[in-house]
Amino acid sequence: EVQLLESGGGLVQPGGSLRLSCAASGFTFSSYAMSWVRQAPGKGLEWVSAISGSGGSTYYADSVKGRFTISRDNSKNTLYLQMNSLRAEDTAVYYCAKGSGYSGYDPTSTFDYWGQGTLVTVSS
Amino acid sequence: EIVMTQSPATLSVSPGERATLSCRASQSVSSNLAWYQQKPGQAPRLLIYGASTRATGIPARFSGSGSGTEFTLTISSLQSEDFAVYYCQHWWTFGQGTKVEIK
Repeated sequence: EVQLLESGGGLVQPGGSLRLSCAASGFTFSSYAMSWVRQAPGKGLEWVSAISGSGGSTYYADSVKGRFTISRDNSKNTLYLQMNSLRAEDTAVYYCAKGSGYSGYDPTSTFDYWGQGTLVTVSS
Repeated sequence: EIVMTQSPATLSVSPGERATLSCRASQSVSSNLAWYQQKPGQAPRLLIYGASTRATGIPARFSGSGSGTEFTLTISSLQSEDFAVYYCQHWWTFGQGTKVEIK
């Protein structure tokens, strides 16, 4: 059974930093791209970042480029999102999502499994 | 950048009735379109991929159709557990969602 468990969310001041983690199990982690998708309170889904199965390729939404860094440790089956220079508009539930393929840059790919999400609140 | 537009924003349907949700892409996405269901307080769940293929464990009352720029998600006979928000998705872009509520 595929399981994705996010952690690391919390309350942070504007300009602060936070690192999210997503522990994966139930599949060959290194064979699949992974993504972070967020959802602001009462809003829709917004893709944030993706990483290829090897970790060698990364992709970001314009809204977070230069501030967020996605990475993975395939030896620990864990995905990360380092978030710096946080803004109020980054407040959201952050989900990690498994891609259906290896490449993070694949228009045919879907998000076939999701974690339960972790809430990030940016406020003073 | 491809924009995904869903309609209507809210759909009021009685249990047992048919629901038809639409998703339009600003340019052709071939059949590379997925649908997700999200219930309050829960993560999204993949329903349909490749425009018309049901994901594992998804009941047959859910069906998807379309290609190019016009897509449809049909729920043939709404059950109580189907009242939720539905999103379409292509690559990294999601539609804004359609809320299916009890009439």
